[in-house]
Amino acid sequence: RKEVEQDPGPFNVPEGATVAFNCTYSNSASQSFFWYRQDCRKEPKLLMSVYSSGNEDGRFTAQLNRASQYISLLIRDSKLSDSATYLCVVNMGTGGFKTIFGAGTRLFVKA
Amino acid sequence: DTGVSQDPRHKITKRGQNVTFRCDPISEHNRLYWYRQTLGQGPEFLTYFQNEAQLEKSRLLSDRFSAERPKGSFSTLEIQRTEQGDSAMYLCASSLAGDRGLYGYTFGSGTRLTVV
Repeated sequence: RKEVEQDPGPFNVPEGATVAFNCTYSNSASQSFFWYRQDCRKEPKLLMSVYSSGNEDGRFTAQLNRASQYISLLIRDSKLSDSATYLCVVNMGTGGFKTIFGAGTRLFVKA
Repeated sequence: DTGVSQDPRHKITKRGQNVTFRCDPISEHNRLYWYRQTLGQGPEFLTYFQNEAQLEKSRLLSDRFSAERPKGSFSTLEIQRTEQGDSAMYLCASSLAGDRGLYGYTFGSGTRLTVV
């Protein structure tokens, strides 16, 4: 089993739709969680951290379920510019070995 | 300071040649990471520095790979005797010390290596 698993997609949605991605992780000792966005042939960019209480940034909402070991990202009112790959990242502490990236979920938003 | 800089952006090399990439992290970040990413995969950890000390190395970093950060500022990643399987995007990232991994990474634009 992979340490961080995501549905690769692609998710094809119309503009204005609401779309949700889930990510599961295997290590219950994981401490911090993030969603990154990666555009085609570009570097990943931090989208948002994921807090235990859940957090929202505009159209984006992230949630953490420690009991079930998954995190989610909800995008409301999808824009064409949201088309990208969304990477789930789980951090178990300091250092490279302890930060695990998922393979990403591809999203295409169409007019 | 405009973020993490990587040079070159693209490198095409013949199999068997040596290549060297450079990364300049955000100046106040003393942690620096190298990752490799292939198509359809997330970034895979290669190595990690805190200041000039190389604290971790992945088994992906075979003896053909070496990384340095001589003065705790910029870093270089060298690949000797390149193979076609080395073709990938090599990403450098930096982060703040003391954050216990809470604030995420800032990535550079990457160096895309093609071995022909």
